[in-house]
Amino acid sequence: DSGVTQTPKHLITATGQRVTLRCSPRSGDLSVYWYQQSLDQGLQFLIQYYNGEERAKGNILERFSAQQFPDLHSELNLSSLELGDSALYFCASSRGTGGNSPLHFGNGTRLTVT
Amino acid sequence: DQQVKQNSPSLSVQEGRISILNCDYTNSMFDYFLWYKKYPAEGPTFLISISSIKDKNEDGRFTVFLNKSAKHLSLHIVPSQPGDSAVYFCAASSNAGGTSYGKLTFGQGTILTVHP
Repeated sequence: DSGVTQTPKHLITATGQRVTLRCSPRSGDLSVYWYQQSLDQGLQFLIQYYNGEERAKGNILERFSAQQFPDLHSELNLSSLELGDSALYFCASSRGTGGNSPLHFGNGTRLTVT
Repeated sequence: DQQVKQNSPSLSVQEGRISILNCDYTNSMFDYFLWYKKYPAEGPTFLISISSIKDKNEDGRFTVFLNKSAKHLSLHIVPSQPGDSAVYFCAASSNAGGTSYGKLTFGQGTILTVHP
């Protein structure tokens, strides 16, 4: 058990809809990261927050947004969903942002867009 | 442009023998490398990491070797156990140019099967 909690585990929704994925980091971790794993793209970095502030951004679509709250949990919002958004979405956390702070991943949310 | 490549989709070894998983990278700015293990229906689990100032890091049965000139790293598992059967991902990062070490670039993974 990595200590990172993601809810829900599975989500099935229709195209055009909006969903929110939630992540609770390990106790004491200040950084939260979101990754997307699709069949053809592998694990792709989306965005990082550190202590409530956006720290780094990957190829995150404009339809996607995230935030980290004062209690350090994070939410990833996906809107105007398309079939291609179907994927596993992983949240990870770490103590800091340096090289000696490996990421610890949750078990993911599997999103299916029909 | 795949900056981190794991050219072997799968590897099969006998219990007790050595497993060697390989990874190549193209971005010379990468200076922090990690290996993750992933079981089905679970998230990736951190195994071991290495900074570019080192060429070897060891943790129990796991050793990572880094060859910067060849832009190549490998993970050695000795001895291999059936419980090691999983998908292994190599990942790399850098904080150059204001990016973050948390922005990991992953390889496509290698499926390791250890036979009893």
